[in-house]
Order: sequence, then C-alpha cells, then structure tokens
Amino acid sequence: ETGVTQSPTHLIKTRGQQVTLRCSSQSGHNTVSWYQQALGQGPQFIFQYYREEENGRGNFPPRFSGLQFPNYSSELNVNALELDDSALYLCASNRDFLLNEQYFGPGTRLTVT
Amino acid sequence: AQKVTQAQTEISVVEKEDVTLDCVYETRDTTYYLFWYKQPPSGELVFLIRRNSFDEQNEISGRYSWNFQKSTSSFNFTITASQVVDSAVYFCALLPTGTASKLTFGTGTRLQVTL
Repeated sequence: ETGVTQSPTHLIKTRGQQVTLRCSSQSGHNTVSWYQQALGQGPQFIFQYYREEENGRGNFPPRFSGLQFPNYSSELNVNALELDDSALYLCASNRDFLLNEQYFGPGTRLTVT
Repeated sequence: AQKVTQAQTEISVVEKEDVTLDCVYETRDTTYYLFWYKQPPSGELVFLIRRNSFDEQNEISGRYSWNFQKSTSSFNFTITASQVVDSAVYFCALLPTGTASKLTFGTGTRLQVTL
C-alpha cells in the first residue's frame, strides 16, 4: 500500500449533477495530481496542486476543478456531469516536484447515468 | 509534446511462457523518466520500475526485466516464466524532468496468463 487514500470507492451520479472526490496524500507529500482513466485507456492528467495552488493542468474543461487543503489533502470537483465523465479517477501524491517518486491511490470509480 | 505507444492491446500466454511488452515513446526533452505500472482488476496502479534517461543499463528484478534503448526510444518489459498472478493491464509512462511536468501514459497492454 502507498499511503494515498481516496474516497469514495465507487459512486453513481446522474447526468447534470455535481460530484466531489477526495484524496489524502501520503505523509510528507505536498503535491497531489489527479488523473482520469476511461475504460480501456491509460490515465490522463487532469491537474496538479502544489502547496494549495494549481500547478499545471491537462486538457480538461473548467467544470473540472480542484482544491488542496493546508494538510495537503485534495478534492476534485466535477460540475454538470456528462456520460463521458464515467471513469476511474486516480490521485497521486509526491513531495515537492519529485514526480519521479509519485504514489497512486486506489482510485474512485465514477459512473454517470 | 510527449507520447507513449503500447502497440499490443492484448496478449495471451500460457503459464511459464516468457512474454515481452513493448513500449515506444516520443519526447523532445533530453532528460526524462520512464515507468512501468501494473494495474490489476482492483484498479490501483502498482509501481514496477522507474528508469532515468541517463541510465541505459538493463535491469532485472526476479522474473521481471527491462530493456531500455534510447536509440530506438523503446523501454520494453519482459516477464520470464509467466504466472497467472501476472494477469493485469500494464502501462508504460513517460515523465520529463522539470517542475511543471506530468506523467504521460500509454494505452496499456492487457496480459492474460492461463494455465
């Protein structure tokens, strides 16, 4: 186990709703990255937070937003859910910019109906 | 822009066979890291190996070995004497060095090992 935890494990939402996913980083890690993994695809980078500030964003629309808290845990918020948002959402944490030592959580599987 | 190609979508082998998973990458960065991850049905990404672009030495860890060839931009992964527990999706990933860099994953290779 990596020490990165995510909640919830699974959830089902309806198109148009909003969802919040949570991630607790490994102890000592101040950087959190979020990835979306659609079925049959590799994970795609959504964005990264470093010390509570967004530090890089992938090709995702603004309805994907995030937060990082003083304890370095993080939230991923998705508004106006679409069917294509159904995916496994992975978070990963690391210390500073040591992305080569990034550890992944178990993921949250989101289903949008 | 970075790109990772895993041309093999799915591979099926019989237990005890050797199997090689291919990974080809593209990057303009001169320094970078390459990774392999295993993703069992549970979904969690399990880290297998990290290789710095400066280090072209091949590595062996038990039944696993990796062949990094910078000249062909390839980082292939071989499992010797495969076992049923090796069944999973395997991802190759690329990380350029730099503070704003991000991991770029390939589309994965599903390995099915049967008795």
